[in-house]
Amino acid sequence: GNSVTQMEGPVTLSEEAFLTINCTYTATGYPSLFWYVQYPGEGLQLLLKATKADDKGSNKGFEATYRKETTSFHLEKGSVQVSDSAVYFCALSDQTGNQFYFGTGTSLTVIP
Amino acid sequence: DTAVSQTPKYLVTQMGNDKSIKCEQNLGHDTMYWYKQDSKKFLKIMFSYNNKELIINETVPNRFSPKSPDKAHLNLHINSLELGDSAVYFCASSQPTGGYTFGSGTRLTVV
Repeated sequence: GNSVTQMEGPVTLSEEAFLTINCTYTATGYPSLFWYVQYPGEGLQLLLKATKADDKGSNKGFEATYRKETTSFHLEKGSVQVSDSAVYFCALSDQTGNQFYFGTGTSLTVIP
Repeated sequence: DTAVSQTPKYLVTQMGNDKSIKCEQNLGHDTMYWYKQDSKKFLKIMFSYNNKELIINETVPNRFSPKSPDKAHLNLHINSLELGDSAVYFCASSQPTGGYTFGSGTRLTVV
């Protein structure tokens, strides 16, 4: 079956530190992969996505590369800001696009 | 111009009451969902509708009943509310290629 595993949090970083949040997946066929961000008190927003192997999704300084050989989609940012403090969810969409599988979320706190 | 809107944003109610949460999307998406997010931020899918037809119905108490009058609306009715129903409920919609668009959530508190 399909599933997503992401690193557990919480993660606390100082401003300007490098961020990696690991995400691996199990899927049949050719899934699409996503990162969503949830800021405090808000709903989930799409951060970036990749629809096929070796695609790199990027947005707001975040990026993630769809690695089929390692079944991974790790989220990275070179220099985090306080405003990046949020919960980050890795997700995959099966080939039909009708069902999503979310990871458990990783809480990030960036301190000045 | 909100893409997925759900109301109310906050709902405080007593145990045993019946309440509804409404959701509307103006994106023209065919599929809509209800998710429950617990206090640890874990997201659990509850229901999924495609063009008003129920396609996913996870293990959810039958006190929860979704209703989709048309493909732009998916409402959630909850009977006999219990303390354990307290959570944030998110509505979402999707097209097969584009990922999900979420509403801003309804924080339900049962007292």
